[in-house]
Amino acid sequence: AQSVSQHNHHVILSEAASLELGCNYSYGGTVNLFWYVQYPGQHLQLLLKYFSGDPLVKGIKGFEAEFIKSKFSFNLRKPSVQWSDTAEYFCAVSSLSGGYNKLIFGAGTRLAVHP
Amino acid sequence: DTGVSQNPRHKITKRGQNVTFRCDPISEHNRLYWYRQTLGQGPEFLTYFQNEAQLEKSRLLSDRFSAERPKGSFSTLEIQRTEQGDSAMYLCASSRGSGGIYNEQFFGPGTRLTVL
Repeated sequence: AQSVSQHNHHVILSEAASLELGCNYSYGGTVNLFWYVQYPGQHLQLLLKYFSGDPLVKGIKGFEAEFIKSKFSFNLRKPSVQWSDTAEYFCAVSSLSGGYNKLIFGAGTRLAVHP
Repeated sequence: DTGVSQNPRHKITKRGQNVTFRCDPISEHNRLYWYRQTLGQGPEFLTYFQNEAQLEKSRLLSDRFSAERPKGSFSTLEIQRTEQGDSAMYLCASSRGSGGIYNEQFFGPGTRLTVL
């Protein structure tokens, strides 16, 4: 069965620090990969996605992620975080075997950024 | 606001009661999804509709759960004989699409169910 692992459940950073959140998935076939973000009191929102092509994907608000197929990883990065990045971040995968219709989510990483 | 809406936002019920939640998708979206999220976990897929047809159901969706989308627009999720383990956030999402092509899923605010 497909699964998604997020390495850190809680991350605390100071403003301007660099961020990297790990994500690994278990599925050997073709996948689509996503990072979703949930700001306090708000809906889940898509941050960025990878379908094919350039494995370095840029999303909103200065976030980027790199797909490394050999490592089954899709880590999220941001060079300099802001207080407003405080949120919960979810990595997700959809696959051809699932008809690309359902998202399999990781457990999430709660990020707190201190001024 | 033209996003996905869900009602009610919160529901507290006693064990054994039935509850029903409603989801109104973005109007031009023909796909609708239900997910469940428990504390400390990411959302888990429950079921999805393309128009009015329910095309996939997770094994998480026991016989006590039923979802409908009668006219291909809004959807309802009913839980019969609720149990304390049903306490969770129930999320609805919608997207365009057909066939095996992924389209971005837009999520609603969720309905938080507490079973006492």
